[in-house]
Amino acid sequence: QSALTQPASVSGSPGQSITISCTGTSSDVGSYNLVSWYQQHPGKAPKLMIYEVSKRPSGVSNRFSGSKSGNTASLTISGLQAEDEADYYCCSYAGSSSVVFGGGTKLTVL
Amino acid sequence: EVQLVESGGGLVQPGRSLRLSCAASGFTFDDYAMHWVRQAPGKGLEWVSGISWNSGSIGYADSVKGRFTISRDNAKNSLYLQMNSLRAEDTALYYCAKGPYRVAPPFDYWGQGTLVTVSS
Repeated sequence: QSALTQPASVSGSPGQSITISCTGTSSDVGSYNLVSWYQQHPGKAPKLMIYEVSKRPSGVSNRFSGSKSGNTASLTISGLQAEDEADYYCCSYAGSSSVVFGGGTKLTVL
Repeated sequence: EVQLVESGGGLVQPGRSLRLSCAASGFTFDDYAMHWVRQAPGKGLEWVSGISWNSGSIGYADSVKGRFTISRDNAKNSLYLQMNSLRAEDTALYYCAKGPYRVAPPFDYWGQGTLVTVSS
């Protein structure tokens, strides 16, 4: 159960697009389309933004999108807004009733 | 409205035990798996344990296996985490989270967390 690998930080200017990568292994990200992404603002509980690689829950802006290629999943945020500044975590099913999170990425909107 | 309310956190000495509870409302509790996810101060999220809708499937992170026990009472719409042999590294905010029917992501609703501090 090793944590998925995410960049520690990314940044972008308002209106730009950014992508956060999430690298796992053939035992987790590469084997299951059960990758999800969570947004967490300081002092708040995490919020589900993307599930099953690319699906958006009701109420989540279509500026958020997800994809996967091999053992790496990605979260793209287009048209960056100030309120997107937060920590983002990827998560994957890892088989045998186990789950693994990424280390988290701090997004700064410049 | 889905609500998840954790309780039972506090200050505990290393080696001692603590039991966390999560009261659920606003959805059909026994249709969904439930999970515990923790976050150490200033650190990232760590999945701790999950239990399927009927308790038939249970999973634990390697870091807590053999020390923590997850359970649920569908009649009481409640989730529990029995934590034994606590260590300093178990200090964290513990979230209760709702999943799909099986022990897998995504976690679509989260509580506000209960803080566990392990210190002498």
